[in-house]
Parts: sequence; C-alpha cells; structure tokens
Amino acid sequence: GAVVSQHPSWVICKSGTSVKIECRSLDFQATTMFWYRQFPKQSLMLMATSNEGSKATYEQGVEKDKFLINHASLTLSTLTVTSAHPEDSSFYICSARVRTSGTNEQFFGPGTRLTVL
Amino acid sequence: AQSVAQPEDQVNVAEGNPLTVKCTYSVSGNPYLFWYVQYPNRGLQFLLKYITGDNLVKGSYGFEAEFNKSQTSFHLKKPSALVSDSALYFCAVFTGTASKLTFGTGTRLQVTL
Repeated sequence: GAVVSQHPSWVICKSGTSVKIECRSLDFQATTMFWYRQFPKQSLMLMATSNEGSKATYEQGVEKDKFLINHASLTLSTLTVTSAHPEDSSFYICSARVRTSGTNEQFFGPGTRLTVL
Repeated sequence: AQSVAQPEDQVNVAEGNPLTVKCTYSVSGNPYLFWYVQYPNRGLQFLLKYITGDNLVKGSYGFEAEFNKSQTSFHLKKPSALVSDSALYFCAVFTGTASKLTFGTGTRLQVTL
C-alpha cells in the first residue's frame, strides 16, 4: 500500500516550453502533497505544499508563476514548469501525506528527471 | 526552526561489517524522525521512523536506528552490511510546529567486497 506514482519518469524539452509532471497517490487519498527539487549530490529542497482544493504554499525563493501547482483531487497533483530554461533541469520528486495514527506519514514518488536543452 | 545534520558525506564499509550513518537534529518540541534511502535516479524509500516509545526502532532490510534524546541523535545502524545497501541515505525530522519534513544533506554509503 501507500504507492505514489509520477509521470513522466524523465522528460527532455526545449528551452521556452512548458512541462507538466503528474503525481498520483494510487491506493490512498492524500490530503497534502509536496513537491521537492533535488540537484545532483544534494538534498531535497521543498518547493511547495499543496492541499486539495486550495492554493499551494510556496517556499521562500520559489517562483509561483514559474512552478504552477494544481491539486485537483485527493489523488492527483500536477507541477507545471512554465517557460523552462536549462537551469530548471533537475530531479523533481513529489510526496503525498496520509494520516496514519496521527503521524502524518509521507510517501514519495519515484521522481521525474527534467532536462531542458 | 528545525534542522537535521548528517556530518558525513560518505561512509565506507566492508561487506559483513557493521555500519553506522550518523544523524543529529535540532527542534523545538517533540520530533518525529525518519530515515529514507535513495537509489540512483529513484525517489526516496522509507526505512524506518521514530514517533514515540522504544528508543530502538527496527525497520526495513535489517536496518535499525536509536533515538537518543539527550544527544539529539538518531543514528542509522545495521549489524552486517551488504553491497546492495550502497545508496544515499537521508535523515529527516518532522514536528507539528513546522508541519513539514526537513531533510539532512544525505550520506552516501559505499559497501565494498
């Protein structure tokens, strides 16, 4: 149980185009989903937190208009990188939170490798 | 603010030997502590967690961790390392105050024959 999927697993795009990444909780309902960015050999950086049906909360320094997050349902959140540039190339990981005995466990997707040419 | 420190960028261990990956934390309030493992180009896999109760927590793949409140540590251990344990390990802390996971910088574990 508690499986989180991401699609696509990798994407290559041209500079200036937009890319959408989907994150789904397959066998549970996620009240909250998180989007992280990971640079090579570095830790995960939280980009934003999204709750179903409400606007995402972005971390300081993350451009809201650049990284559009939509949490349309309890099982789906999307991250759209708008007008992508080479510096946006990174590994993007989503995570979904499920309430389990009040511990708010998070389960992580397999990640999406974005390469912007 | 909550923070997590993993003082070692890399830990090298011979297969069959015990391993320890260190983690210390700083929080206000009671922490929930987690260990995750990441294989190349993959997301994070949950290993174990400490919420309350027994200070020694047993997790997946033979890993365990000991919560030490006085030293604010949560070191990951395994009695006998395997080559397949080679990966990147992240310690993370969650508190109700921050309501989000904060990760350490990660420790690369290299297990050799």
